[in-house]
Amino acid sequence: KAGVTQTPRYLIKTRGQQVTLSCSPISGHRSVSWYQQTPGQGLQFLFEYFSETQRNKGNFPGRFSGRQFSNSRSEMNVSTLELGDSALYLCASSLGTGETQYFGPGTRLLVL
Amino acid sequence: QQQVKQSPQSLIVQKGGISIINCAYENTAFDYFPWYQQFPGKGPALLIAIRPDVSEKKEGRFTISFNKSAKQFSLHIMDSQPGDSATYFCAASTSPAGNQFYFGTGTSLTVIP
Repeated sequence: KAGVTQTPRYLIKTRGQQVTLSCSPISGHRSVSWYQQTPGQGLQFLFEYFSETQRNKGNFPGRFSGRQFSNSRSEMNVSTLELGDSALYLCASSLGTGETQYFGPGTRLLVL
Repeated sequence: QQQVKQSPQSLIVQKGGISIINCAYENTAFDYFPWYQQFPGKGPALLIAIRPDVSEKKEGRFTISFNKSAKQFSLHIMDSQPGDSATYFCAASTSPAGNQFYFGTGTSLTVIP
């Protein structure tokens, strides 16, 4: 079974731009979560989607948004990029509530 | 506020030794405690996980010890190998409202040959 895939793997953007990241979960997984990983803050939860509905949201500004499609694929959007948004963005999928999360390789975003 | 506190931040162990990483939590609603291993340039990979109805779980060289009353859990890596050198994260989640995992800050493990 293929794992979680994320595209693109690397991105360079400038301040003020917006970016869209994509995540394809493991086949059959309906829950997709997004995390931001930075050296200083570690892994921080952004939001979780299940069956196209956002179920949980972390403590991030409204510039961070996401959505999930009917095939469970998910996208994350960051608008008006700031230097501090430079991070590794990880997507994780699971079968459902309380199930193990499996992570993708991440998208490394650099904001200049 | 860090929901899951992890220590130590870094750990150096000789090959063949035991690596021990500790985590503590406050939220008694947490009901699932996984450990993840992350190599540079990769996403975290599930190593082993435990639920609070058991006090210990072993898979190969990896063991989780869980102390519900103390709200602590730890990862033991027996016979540590250089290939175990990675960053380890503990995590905790509570499922009723969906999947929201809280991660520790990570432990960088180096196993010296």
